[in-house]
Amino acid sequence: GIQVEQSPPDLILQEGANSTLRCNFSDSVNNLQWFHQNPWGQLINLFYIPSGTKQNGRLSATTVATERYSLLYISSSQTTDSGVYFCAVPTSGTYKYIFGTGTRLKVLA
Amino acid sequence: EPEVTQTPSHQVTQMGQEVILRCVPISNHLYFYWYRQILGQKVEFLVSFYNNEISEKSEIFDDQFSVERPDGSNFTLKIRSTKLEDSAMYFCASSGGLARTDTQYFGPGTRLTVL
Repeated sequence: GIQVEQSPPDLILQEGANSTLRCNFSDSVNNLQWFHQNPWGQLINLFYIPSGTKQNGRLSATTVATERYSLLYISSSQTTDSGVYFCAVPTSGTYKYIFGTGTRLKVLA
Repeated sequence: EPEVTQTPSHQVTQMGQEVILRCVPISNHLYFYWYRQILGQKVEFLVSFYNNEISEKSEIFDDQFSVERPDGSNFTLKIRSTKLEDSAMYFCASSGGLARTDTQYFGPGTRLTVL
């Protein structure tokens, strides 16, 4: 089945710094979502981005489907950005999402 | 903005007991899902549900599990005879429309602790 890998696994930033999180997937996909899991365990949908670039405030995401990767950019990070960031893609011909292993981000004040 | 809701937020149960986790998907959505996340691990798909029947299930979703849409709004996951290893966060999700690739919206999760 499709493999989804994320890097880096862990990231520590000072407040105000920028970062780039990466999601690689092993097969072509027609959908990709980025999620933020906050310290309370809730999964917050950030982007639905099968291709192209989207921006939402300090966050933006780019998916290059032909090269099988997606990037999540966080600018001017804040302590509330801390948590785990997951990307997820559907397996071909199914409804189920395969989640990546996540990037654990800690933003220090 | 419409959202998926789940109850309870935390459920503690004794091993061997049955639990029912409840979800209210977004009202005009047609596809419903359950995922689970064991502490410290990634999120895993359990089951998808469409048109009042299971459309796909993972190998985790064995006879211990069942899903139901008892009325027009609720979507439930029943776990019979819970085991210690069922302790996890359980997420419900829903998506709308006819396109399989629609955005899946996740609920806040139910943390299940089996003692």
